Amino acid sequence: AQKVTQAQTEISVVEKEDVTLDCVYETRDTTYYLFWYKQPPSGELVFLIRRNSFDEQNEISGRYSWNFQKSTSSFNFTITASQVVDSAVYFCALSKEGAQKLVFGQGTRLTINP
Amino acid sequence: DVKVTQSSRYLVKRTGEKVFLECVQDMDHENMFWYRQDPGLGLRLIYFSYDVKMKEKGDIPEGYSVSREKKERFSLILESASTNQTSMYLCASSYPGTRGQKKAFFGQGTRLTVV
Repeated sequence: AQKVTQAQTEISVVEKEDVTLDCVYETRDTTYYLFWYKQPPSGELVFLIRRNSFDEQNEISGRYSWNFQKSTSSFNFTITASQVVDSAVYFCALSKEGAQKLVFGQGTRLTINP
Repeated sequence: DVKVTQSSRYLVKRTGEKVFLECVQDMDHENMFWYRQDPGLGLRLIYFSYDVKMKEKGDIPEGYSVSREKKERFSLILESASTNQTSMYLCASSYPGTRGQKKAFFGQGTRLTVV
């Protein structure tokens, strides 16, 4: 069975601080895909990134970066120089090869205070 | 701009009522999904559809059914609403990936309260 754990239920930081959201996953598959989604107060989830299990390169997109480590089954997300607009609920998710559905973590509510 | 539209943002229904939640996408996606979001549980898949009239149960299908008569529309049906179905419901759509789930697009959600 697949499982995604986001142990941090809520995080609150002051603007411009760096913040890391943790994601740990469990799967027996050798090929799988990891995702991060952002859910702002408006409600719709917004896709941020998709990585496959064979690509362990870290990725950076502006102030966002992702650290994928198969050895620890983690796919952590860091926001550098956080801004109030980053306040949202963030979900990590997992999909196995051939599957057309996602298994989500519990979500982390991130609050950036001015 | 791609769009997934859910018919209602907020709904209040009585126990025992039959409830329809509607979702429409304009991206010609084959896959459509209904998730339920509850605090501390994240999103859980109720049903998904990979083509017109085709459906598969997700992780929590009990008490729900779905209908997909047209490619762009996917309906979630609560046959007899109960208070434990009070939740946020999210619809999503995506292209099918030959190897796995592709990027999904989500609607804004319907917050359903059953009283």
